[in-house]
Amino acid sequence: KQEVTQIPAALSVPEGENLVLNCSFTDSAIYNLQWFRQDPGKGLTSLLLIQSSQREQTSGRLNASLDKSSGRSTLYIAASQPGDSATYLCAVSGGGADGLTFGKGTHLIIQP
Amino acid sequence: NAGVTQTPKFQVLKTGQSMTLQCAQDMNHEYMSWYRQDPGMGLRLIHYSVGAGITDQGEVPNGYNVSRSTTEDFPLRLLSAAPSQTSVYFCASSYQTGGGYTFGSGTRLTVV
Repeated sequence: KQEVTQIPAALSVPEGENLVLNCSFTDSAIYNLQWFRQDPGKGLTSLLLIQSSQREQTSGRLNASLDKSSGRSTLYIAASQPGDSATYLCAVSGGGADGLTFGKGTHLIIQP
Repeated sequence: NAGVTQTPKFQVLKTGQSMTLQCAQDMNHEYMSWYRQDPGMGLRLIHYSVGAGITDQGEVPNGYNVSRSTTEDFPLRLLSAAPSQTSVYFCASSYQTGGGYTFGSGTRLTVV
């Protein structure tokens, strides 16, 4: 059974810092990996989707990398802002319709 | 383009009552799925569908029924609500294998 772990569970940093969120998965036979953002009481917003054949994806200040063989992904946030405060979720797909396996998330607070 | 629409946003049920959580997508996605999100447990897959007329069970299917009569709609039915079903429910859809998932805004359900 696929298991996804996110470290750290919580992180608080001052505004302006660059930071890295980590995600690891036990079964390397994934089809893709998706990073989401969730604000309190809200739904999930997709940030980045990395196919298993890709090494990284970038969107603005966000960069996600994937090392499928080692079962790891990182989400790099550059020049963090208070508006980046949220819970960040990592999820992997085996390629079928049977959805995503999620980590429990990293709760991020950016101090003004 | 509305994406994935869930109704209602909030619901309070009494133990033993039944109800249907609605999910509709307007992106012509074949894959649809239901998750529940609980503190400390993360998001867990309840049921999923690969297309109209085809559904299957996920990780935590007990107490829930689904059907998929059209590509657009994927309702989740609670047969006899229990306090253990108090949770936030999310519906998601994806275009195809390898496609990223789009999530609805969620339904917060309380069973008393």
